Amino acid sequence: AQSVTQPDIHITVSEGASLELRCNYSYGATPYLFWYVQSPGQGLQLLLKYFSGDTLVQGIKGFEAEFKRSQSSFNLRKPSVHWSDAAEYFCAVADTGRRALTFGSGTRLQVQP
Amino acid sequence: GAGVSQSPSNKVTEKGKDVELRCDPISGHTALYWYRQRLGQGLEFLIYFQGNSAPDKSGLPSDRFSAERTGESVSTLTIQRTQQEDSAVYLCASSPDGNSPLHFGNGTRLTVT
Repeated sequence: AQSVTQPDIHITVSEGASLELRCNYSYGATPYLFWYVQSPGQGLQLLLKYFSGDTLVQGIKGFEAEFKRSQSSFNLRKPSVHWSDAAEYFCAVADTGRRALTFGSGTRLQVQP
Repeated sequence: GAGVSQSPSNKVTEKGKDVELRCDPISGHTALYWYRQRLGQGLEFLIYFQGNSAPDKSGLPSDRFSAERTGESVSTLTIQRTQQEDSAVYLCASSPDGNSPLHFGNGTRLTVT
């Protein structure tokens, strides 16, 4: 069965600094990969997805993620963090047969002024 | 509607009571998912409906949990004889098909006292 690991439970960065959130997955074939963001009091919103093709994918709000098959990783990056990016970020994987997403445990991002 | 709608937004119930949680997916979305999010944790898959196919119930934690879906519309998640460990936010999501990203509702926060 597929699984997702987000090693960092909590990350604090300064506004304007770069950000990388780690995600590792376990799956036999090429999975579908997603990053979702959950802001306080709001529902989950899709940031970006990878299905196939170019391994560097661009998402909303200036986020990008790179699929690295050799490392089984799909890390989320942003060159310059804004205070409004403070939220919980979830990596998720779906196998091509089952479709239901398996989520990581999340990384809570705090942004310091 | 504009998005996935869940009701009630909050539910407080006594241990041992039954509860029903409702989800109205986006019109035309054939896939519908239920997830559970305990405080400070990631999303736990519960059940997945796709069109007229048999639902994937592999995530339901016990036989106290059940879900129904009428065609490609409303879904109801029922928890019988609630326990305190059932306290969580129950999230519903829908997608146009099994391959597209999920659109999440704002969830129902269930508190079992």
